[in-house]
Amino acid sequence: EPEVTQTPSHQVTQMGQEVILRCVPISNHLYFYWYRQILGQKVEFLVSFYNNEISEKSEIFDDQFSVERPDGSNFTLKIRSTKLEDSAMYFCASSKTVASGANVLTFGAGSRLTVL
Amino acid sequence: GQNIDQPTEMTATEGAIVQINCTYQTSGFNGLFWYQQHAGEAPTFLSYNVLDGLEEKGRFSSFLSRSKGYSYLLLKELQMKDSASYLCAVSDSNYQLIWGAGTKLIIKP
Repeated sequence: EPEVTQTPSHQVTQMGQEVILRCVPISNHLYFYWYRQILGQKVEFLVSFYNNEISEKSEIFDDQFSVERPDGSNFTLKIRSTKLEDSAMYFCASSKTVASGANVLTFGAGSRLTVL
Repeated sequence: GQNIDQPTEMTATEGAIVQINCTYQTSGFNGLFWYQQHAGEAPTFLSYNVLDGLEEKGRFSSFLSRSKGYSYLLLKELQMKDSASYLCAVSDSNYQLIWGAGTKLIIKP
Protein backbone atom coordinates (compact mmCIF):
# COMPACT_ATOMS: atom_id res chain seq x y z
CA GLU A 1 0.00 0.00 0.00
CA PRO A 2 1.37 3.44 -0.90
CA GLU A 3 2.62 5.45 2.02
CA VAL A 4 3.91 8.86 2.96
CA THR A 5 7.47 8.71 4.23
CA GLN A 6 9.07 11.24 6.54
CA THR A 7 12.63 11.83 7.64
CA PRO A 8 14.09 12.14 10.16
CA SER A 9 11.90 10.21 12.58
CA HIS A 10 13.42 12.14 15.46
CA GLN A 11 15.58 15.24 15.62
CA VAL A 12 17.04 17.06 18.58
CA THR A 13 18.25 20.61 17.99
CA GLN A 14 19.38 23.66 19.91
CA MET A 15 17.15 26.71 20.16
CA GLY A 16 17.85 29.11 17.32
CA GLN A 17 19.03 26.45 14.90
CA GLU A 18 17.44 25.76 11.54
CA VAL A 19 15.65 22.48 10.96
CA ILE A 20 14.46 20.88 7.74
CA LEU A 21 11.91 18.09 7.87
CA ARG A 22 11.46 16.02 4.76
CA CYS A 23 8.48 14.20 3.32
CA VAL A 24 7.86 12.07 0.26
CA PRO A 25 4.10 12.15 -0.46
CA ILE A 26 2.25 9.41 -2.31
CA SER A 27 3.20 9.72 -5.96
CA ASN A 28 -0.22 10.37 -7.52
CA HIS A 29 -1.38 12.75 -4.79
CA LEU A 30 -1.68 16.42 -5.63
CA TYR A 31 -2.23 18.09 -2.24
CA PHE A 32 0.34 18.17 0.51
CA TYR A 33 0.03 19.25 4.11
CA TRP A 34 2.04 19.80 7.24
CA TYR A 35 0.44 19.37 10.65
CA ARG A 36 1.95 19.43 14.08
CA GLN A 37 0.92 17.85 17.35
CA ILE A 38 2.41 18.99 20.62
CA LEU A 39 2.59 16.10 23.05
CA GLY A 40 -0.84 15.34 24.48
CA GLN A 41 -2.56 18.04 22.44
CA LYS A 42 -4.66 18.20 19.29
CA VAL A 43 -3.50 17.94 15.72
CA GLU A 44 -2.91 21.48 14.38
CA PHE A 45 -2.93 22.48 10.73
CA LEU A 46 0.13 24.37 9.55
CA VAL A 47 0.00 24.63 5.78
CA SER A 48 -1.36 23.10 2.60
CA PHE A 49 0.41 23.09 -0.74
CA TYR A 50 -0.90 22.59 -4.25
CA ASN A 51 0.50 23.22 -7.69
CA ASN A 52 3.83 24.39 -6.29
CA GLU A 53 2.42 27.03 -4.02
CA ILE A 54 0.87 27.45 -0.62
CA SER A 55 -2.92 27.19 -0.80
CA GLU A 56 -3.74 27.71 2.88
CA LYS A 57 -1.78 28.42 6.01
CA SER A 58 -2.67 28.82 9.66
CA GLU A 59 -1.70 31.50 12.15
CA ILE A 60 0.96 29.14 13.47
CA PHE A 61 2.72 29.19 10.10
CA ASP A 62 4.55 32.46 10.58
CA ASP A 63 7.68 33.84 8.91
CA GLN A 64 9.97 31.33 10.57
CA PHE A 65 8.29 28.51 8.63
CA SER A 66 8.60 27.77 4.94
CA VAL A 67 7.74 24.89 2.65
CA GLU A 68 9.26 23.80 -0.60
CA ARG A 69 8.90 21.12 -3.20
CA PRO A 70 12.46 21.13 -4.49
CA ASP A 71 11.96 18.26 -6.92
CA GLY A 72 9.20 15.99 -8.15
CA SER A 73 9.05 13.89 -5.01
CA ASN A 74 10.17 15.72 -1.86
CA PHE A 75 8.13 18.17 0.19
CA THR A 76 10.03 19.95 2.94
CA LEU A 77 9.19 22.04 5.99
CA LYS A 78 11.89 24.43 7.16
CA ILE A 79 11.90 26.09 10.55
CA ARG A 80 14.42 28.92 10.38
CA SER A 81 15.17 29.63 14.01
CA THR A 82 13.69 27.04 16.30
CA LYS A 83 12.09 27.94 19.63
CA LEU A 84 11.38 25.72 22.60
CA GLU A 85 7.68 25.76 21.78
CA ASP A 86 8.38 24.26 18.35
CA SER A 87 8.97 20.92 20.06
CA ALA A 88 6.27 18.68 18.64
CA MET A 89 5.54 15.81 16.30
CA TYR A 90 5.31 17.11 12.74
CA PHE A 91 3.13 15.12 10.39
CA CYS A 92 3.21 15.35 6.63
CA ALA A 93 0.08 14.26 4.78
CA SER A 94 -1.07 14.05 1.20
CA SER A 95 -4.36 13.59 -0.61
CA LYS A 96 -5.53 13.03 -4.17
CA THR A 97 -8.03 15.84 -4.24
CA VAL A 98 -9.46 18.34 -1.81
CA ALA A 99 -12.86 19.29 -3.14
CA SER A 100 -14.60 15.99 -2.66
CA GLY A 101 -15.14 13.11 -0.29
CA ALA A 102 -12.04 11.53 -1.75
CA ASN A 103 -10.05 13.97 0.33
CA VAL A 104 -8.79 11.27 2.65
CA LEU A 105 -5.50 12.35 4.11
CA THR A 106 -2.74 9.80 4.30
CA PHE A 107 -0.31 10.72 7.04
CA GLY A 108 3.34 9.95 7.36
CA ALA A 109 4.67 8.43 10.57
CA GLY A 110 5.82 11.84 11.77
CA SER A 111 9.04 13.58 12.70
CA ARG A 112 9.48 14.25 16.38
CA LEU A 113 11.32 17.53 16.91
CA THR A 114 12.85 18.29 20.29
CA VAL A 115 14.23 21.80 20.80
CA LEU A 116 16.59 22.23 23.75
CA GLY B 1 -15.60 30.53 15.43
CA GLN B 2 -15.24 26.94 14.39
CA ASN B 3 -15.42 24.28 17.04
CA ILE B 4 -15.32 20.50 17.35
CA ASP B 5 -16.21 18.92 20.70
CA GLN B 6 -15.50 15.37 21.78
CA PRO B 7 -15.06 13.78 25.20
CA THR B 8 -11.46 13.82 26.38
CA GLU B 9 -11.34 10.23 27.56
CA MET B 10 -13.55 7.13 27.70
CA THR B 11 -13.08 3.72 29.24
CA ALA B 12 -14.69 0.49 28.02
CA THR B 13 -14.36 -3.24 28.52
CA GLU B 14 -12.96 -5.72 26.04
CA GLY B 15 -15.79 -7.29 24.02
CA ALA B 16 -18.22 -4.46 24.76
CA ILE B 17 -19.58 -1.62 22.61
CA VAL B 18 -18.60 2.04 22.92
CA GLN B 19 -19.98 5.18 21.27
CA ILE B 20 -17.77 8.24 20.87
CA ASN B 21 -19.68 11.44 20.20
CA CYS B 22 -18.61 14.50 18.26
CA THR B 23 -20.46 17.80 17.90
CA TYR B 24 -19.36 20.50 15.54
CA GLN B 25 -19.95 24.12 14.61
CA THR B 26 -18.18 25.08 11.42
CA SER B 27 -18.47 27.56 8.58
CA GLY B 28 -19.84 25.23 5.98
CA PHE B 29 -19.76 21.47 5.86
CA ASN B 30 -18.20 19.17 3.30
CA GLY B 31 -18.05 16.00 5.30
CA LEU B 32 -16.92 14.56 8.60
CA PHE B 33 -13.99 12.24 9.11
CA TRP B 34 -13.01 9.89 11.91
CA TYR B 35 -9.34 9.00 12.32
CA GLN B 36 -7.69 6.59 14.74
CA GLN B 37 -4.37 7.51 16.31
CA HIS B 38 -2.33 5.09 18.41
CA ALA B 39 0.06 6.71 20.86
CA GLY B 40 3.15 8.03 19.10
CA GLU B 41 1.83 7.15 15.66
CA ALA B 42 0.17 8.95 12.76
CA PRO B 43 -3.60 9.27 12.44
CA THR B 44 -5.14 6.69 10.13
CA PHE B 45 -8.43 7.10 8.29
CA LEU B 46 -11.47 5.23 9.63
CA SER B 47 -14.58 6.73 8.03
CA TYR B 48 -16.15 9.58 6.12
CA ASN B 49 -19.77 10.79 6.31
CA VAL B 50 -21.27 13.55 4.19
CA LEU B 51 -24.93 12.45 4.14
CA ASP B 52 -27.12 11.81 7.17
CA GLY B 53 -27.24 8.27 8.42
CA LEU B 54 -25.12 5.37 9.44
CA GLU B 55 -22.08 4.04 7.58
CA GLU B 56 -20.99 0.59 8.67
CA LYS B 57 -17.52 -0.82 8.13
CA GLY B 58 -16.90 -4.05 9.97
CA ARG B 59 -16.76 -3.51 13.72
CA PHE B 60 -16.81 0.27 13.27
CA SER B 61 -19.81 2.40 12.29
CA SER B 62 -20.13 6.15 11.96
CA PHE B 63 -23.31 8.20 12.14
CA LEU B 64 -24.03 11.74 11.01
CA SER B 65 -26.85 14.20 11.61
CA ARG B 66 -26.12 17.44 9.78
CA SER B 67 -29.12 19.26 11.22
CA LYS B 68 -27.85 18.58 14.74
CA GLY B 69 -24.16 19.08 13.95
CA TYR B 70 -23.54 15.68 15.47
CA SER B 71 -21.72 12.48 14.71
CA TYR B 72 -20.75 9.37 16.59
CA LEU B 73 -18.31 6.55 16.06
CA LEU B 74 -19.54 3.18 17.29
CA LEU B 75 -17.03 0.45 18.03
CA LYS B 76 -18.34 -3.07 18.59
CA GLU B 77 -16.68 -6.18 20.01
CA LEU B 78 -13.90 -4.09 21.45
CA GLN B 79 -10.38 -5.46 21.34
CA MET B 80 -7.36 -4.36 23.32
CA LYS B 81 -5.79 -3.03 20.09
CA ASP B 82 -8.66 -0.52 19.82
CA SER B 83 -7.05 1.44 22.66
CA ALA B 84 -6.18 4.67 20.88
CA SER B 85 -7.29 8.24 20.39
CA TYR B 86 -10.17 8.82 18.01
CA LEU B 87 -10.14 12.11 16.15
CA CYS B 88 -13.19 13.78 14.67
CA ALA B 89 -12.48 16.23 11.82
CA VAL B 90 -14.87 18.33 9.74
CA SER B 91 -14.19 19.63 6.23
CA ASP B 92 -15.42 23.22 6.16
CA SER B 93 -16.62 25.41 3.29
CA ASN B 94 -13.02 25.83 2.09
CA TYR B 95 -12.43 22.07 2.33
CA GLN B 96 -10.07 22.71 5.22
CA LEU B 97 -10.10 20.08 7.94
CA ILE B 98 -11.02 21.33 11.40
CA TRP B 99 -9.83 18.85 14.00
CA GLY B 100 -11.25 17.94 17.38
CA ALA B 101 -8.87 17.36 20.27
CA GLY B 102 -9.49 13.61 20.11
CA THR B 103 -11.02 11.09 22.51
CA LYS B 104 -8.62 8.77 24.27
CA LEU B 105 -10.25 5.33 24.50
CA ILE B 106 -8.96 2.99 27.19
CA ILE B 107 -9.93 -0.67 26.88
CA LYS B 108 -9.83 -2.79 30.02
CA PRO B 109 -9.77 -6.60 30.02
